[in-house]
Amino acid sequence: DTEVTQTPKHLVMGMTNKKSLKCEQHMGHRAMYWYKQKAKKPPELMFVYSYEKLSINESVPSRFSPECPNSSLLNLHLHALQPEDSALYLCASSERQTTPYEQYFGPGTRLTVT
Amino acid sequence: GDSVTQMEGPVTLSEEAFLTINCTYTATGYPSLFWYVQYPGEGLQLLLKATKADDKGSNKGFEATYRKETTSFHLEKGSVQVSDSAVYFCALVGSGNTGKLIFGQGTTLQVKP
Repeated sequence: DTEVTQTPKHLVMGMTNKKSLKCEQHMGHRAMYWYKQKAKKPPELMFVYSYEKLSINESVPSRFSPECPNSSLLNLHLHALQPEDSALYLCASSERQTTPYEQYFGPGTRLTVT
Repeated sequence: GDSVTQMEGPVTLSEEAFLTINCTYTATGYPSLFWYVQYPGEGLQLLLKATKADDKGSNKGFEATYRKETTSFHLEKGSVQVSDSAVYFCALVGSGNTGKLIFGQGTTLQVKP
C-alpha cells in the first residue's frame, strides 16, 4: 500500500484565521515533505522532515509552521495567511530522504484564503 | 543548479496514437529520474522511475529510458487512451542527500476519442 492521506480536502480561511493541514502515512517512511502547487505549475518544495526532525526549510514565510509529532504524521499550521497563499498543498513521503527513494504524494488540500 | 526541461504542451492526440513527451535534465553526479502524472483535481502519482544510466522504467504501458549521454528521459506510450489525459511531470532527485524533487514545467496531454 502506497497511500498518503491528507485532510481536509478543501479549506477556506480568512486572513486572520488559524488552521492546520494534516498528512498521514503508514508505510514506515522516515522522510515527509510539504509542497505548494499553484495552478498550471509544478509543485514547489516547502519543508522536509527526516526522522521527525526538520531537515530542509526552503525559506518559507513564518506564517507556515510545520510539525512532525511522530513518524506517521505531518502537520502544517497556518496563521495570518495572504490571498497569494491560495494553492494546492501536497504532502509526500519516502522511505528515506536520500536518493534513490521515490516520493509518494497525497491527494492534496486545496486552500483558499479570502 | 539542477534543472529539468520538458517539451511545452498542450499535446493533443487521437486515441491509439503514439505518445512521446521529451524531457532533458541538467545535474551534477548521478540523479534519479521520475515521471509523475497528475489527473485533474488530484495529487501526483508516481508513474515510473530510473535510478541509473540505461535503466528503463515502465508502468501501465508507459516507458522511459535513462540516457546519460543525451541527458534525457523521454516518456513514450505506444497507444494512448482517453483516460491518459492528464498533466505529466518529469522530475529528478540529485545525488546529494536533500531528497528535493526538481520538476519540469509539466506537459498537458489531451486524448480525443
